[in-house]
This record gives sequence, structure tokens and C-alpha cells, in this order.
Amino acid sequence: EVQLVESGGGLVQPGGSLRLSCEASGFSFSGYRMHWVRQLPGKGLEWVSRIKGDGSDTRYADSVKGRFTISRDNPKNTLYLQMNSLRVEDTAVYYCAKDGDHFEHDYWGQGTLVTVSS
Amino acid sequence: QSALTQPASVSGSPGQSITISCTGTSGDIGGYNFVSWYQQHPGKAPKLMLYEVSNRPTGVSNRFSGSKSGNTASLTISGLQAEDEADYFCSSYTSGSTLWVFGGGTKLTVL
Repeated sequence: EVQLVESGGGLVQPGGSLRLSCEASGFSFSGYRMHWVRQLPGKGLEWVSRIKGDGSDTRYADSVKGRFTISRDNPKNTLYLQMNSLRVEDTAVYYCAKDGDHFEHDYWGQGTLVTVSS
Repeated sequence: QSALTQPASVSGSPGQSITISCTGTSGDIGGYNFVSWYQQHPGKAPKLMLYEVSNRPTGVSNRFSGSKSGNTASLTISGLQAEDEADYFCSSYTSGSTLWVFGGGTKLTVL
């Protein structure tokens, strides 16, 4: 059974940093691209970032480019999102999601809440 | 404002069918058959319901179906059941630098 468990969320001041983690199990982690997707307070979903299975290629939404960094540790089956220069508008529930084979996100974690506020 | 446009809410009675639309552009829905749909119950993670416009993952009821015409995709749920009450989001791969876009979500109420 595929399981994704996020951690690392919390309250941070504008301009601060936070690192999210996502522990994966139930599938061959290194064989799959992984994503971060966030859900804003108004409920809309926004794709944040993607990383290839071997970590060789990363992509970012324009809204986070230059501030967020996605990475992975395949031996530890763990995905990360380093978030710097956080803004109020980054407040959201952050989900990690496994990449399907057809440009979809086939499994999602339960999410971790990030609140950026002074 | 979300990149894909969905109605904010739809409703139907048990046993009826409903359709949720999702409108994008030629750079996303209109340019690719990589449209997916997700169901989200309150406080839960999104669940994949359809991929590549109309394909169902293993375990998803055949009451859920999808289609696409031009820049608009649609999700149809037939034989509505109380458990279908949830938020539904569409998503599409896109040619832009932001690789995936989502709709703002549609709240389905089963009357």
C-alpha cells in the first residue's frame, strides 16, 4: 500500500524558512517522479514543484521559483521541500504526491499546514 | 484565481446524474489529453478519480466518467450516492513553465 506522510509544517514569520519532509513507503520510491502541491485557504490547489526519480531534474511553479528547492534522499525514501523567503501568500496545506504514468498525481499524503504570519 | 474554471457548486438527488465542467485554454486542456480529476472529502487528501480525460484507476467506480471537447473537460457522476458528496478538482498538464494547473474546485451536494 502506497503511503506518503508529510511533516515539518508550522507557523513562520514572513521572510522566514521552513523545510518540509515526506516519507514514502509501499512503492519503489526512486523509480518515480514526486511532486509538491499546495492547497490555499480558499481551497484551490496549486502545483508547486516536481523532481525526477534520480533527482536529476527539478521544475517549479513561477510563484515559488528562486525561493523553494525540492530534493530527495532515495535511500531514505524521503522527499523534501526547502522553503525560503516565505510570504503570507505561501500559507497553505502542502501535500506531497506521487507521479502516475500518465501526467497525473496518483497518490497524495495527508498534508502539512504552513502558516506564514507575523 | 485558478487557471482552470469550474462551477463553484453543483447538486443532485440520489440516483441522478451530474456533470462538472472544467474550462481551460489551448495551452492546457485543449492541447493535451492529460486531464485528471480528484475527489476530496473534508479534511482528507485528494483522491485520483480519472486520468487521461476518461481513464479510471483501479478501484474507482464506473459511475465516474470523463470527456473532453476543445478546451473544456467534463466529469460525470451517474447514480449519485451520498458518499459522492465532496469537492472535485480538475487538473491538466500545461505547456507553460508551471507544468500543471488545477481548477478552483466544485462542491458537490447530494440532496
